[in-house]
Amino acid sequence: AQSVTQLGSHVSVSEGALVLLRCNYSSSVPPYLFWYVQYPNQGLQLLLKYTTGATLVKGINGFEAEFKKSETSFHLTKPSAHMSDAAEYFCAVSASHGNKLVFGAGTILRVKS
Amino acid sequence: NAGVMQNPRHLVRRRGQEARLRCSPVKGHSHVYWYRQLPEEGLKFMVYLQKENIIDESGMPKERFSAEFPKEGPSILRIQQVVRGDSAAYFCASSPEQGLNTEAFFGQGTRLTVV
Repeated sequence: AQSVTQLGSHVSVSEGALVLLRCNYSSSVPPYLFWYVQYPNQGLQLLLKYTTGATLVKGINGFEAEFKKSETSFHLTKPSAHMSDAAEYFCAVSASHGNKLVFGAGTILRVKS
Repeated sequence: NAGVMQNPRHLVRRRGQEARLRCSPVKGHSHVYWYRQLPEEGLKFMVYLQKENIIDESGMPKERFSAEFPKEGPSILRIQQVVRGDSAAYFCASSPEQGLNTEAFFGQGTRLTVV
């Protein structure tokens, strides 16, 4: 069985500050990990994913995430927040096949000017 | 190049009515996934379909819910005799093939309200 825990349902940062959204996972098989972003009343857009290989993954819009097996974590970061980053972010894990995803509860990112 | 199209975007049903949610995948995609998002929760997997086949329905409620993906036409998620607890956003995703080297593209969702 797989599960995802996102620490902090709401995160607030100032424009230009570091963004850190936390994600811990549980998986009985090697995990495949994803971060999605959802803007209000929109669908989900893939930010980045980790399948195998390099543990530091770079995505769109300046985001990146690092897979740490020892900590069962896949935290999302961005060096400098922009107002347009305000959205809800979901971490997800998948089994070794297909696109059947298990999502965390989401973290709403607020960016203050 | 149209993405995943879901309609309607918003649907209001009275308790006991039927709800039909439609999903047209990206052209050429033969794999469709349905997810449900309850208020203040993440998305929960419901069902995975390929053309004319249900591959995995482990997330579907045992009663009142059904899904299909016919050879021609959109995928349909059908909810019979809706109850207030069915109020949620329902998202469809499609991919061209199975496997994690392919990306699943999500639609904008259908927001179902049961009154």
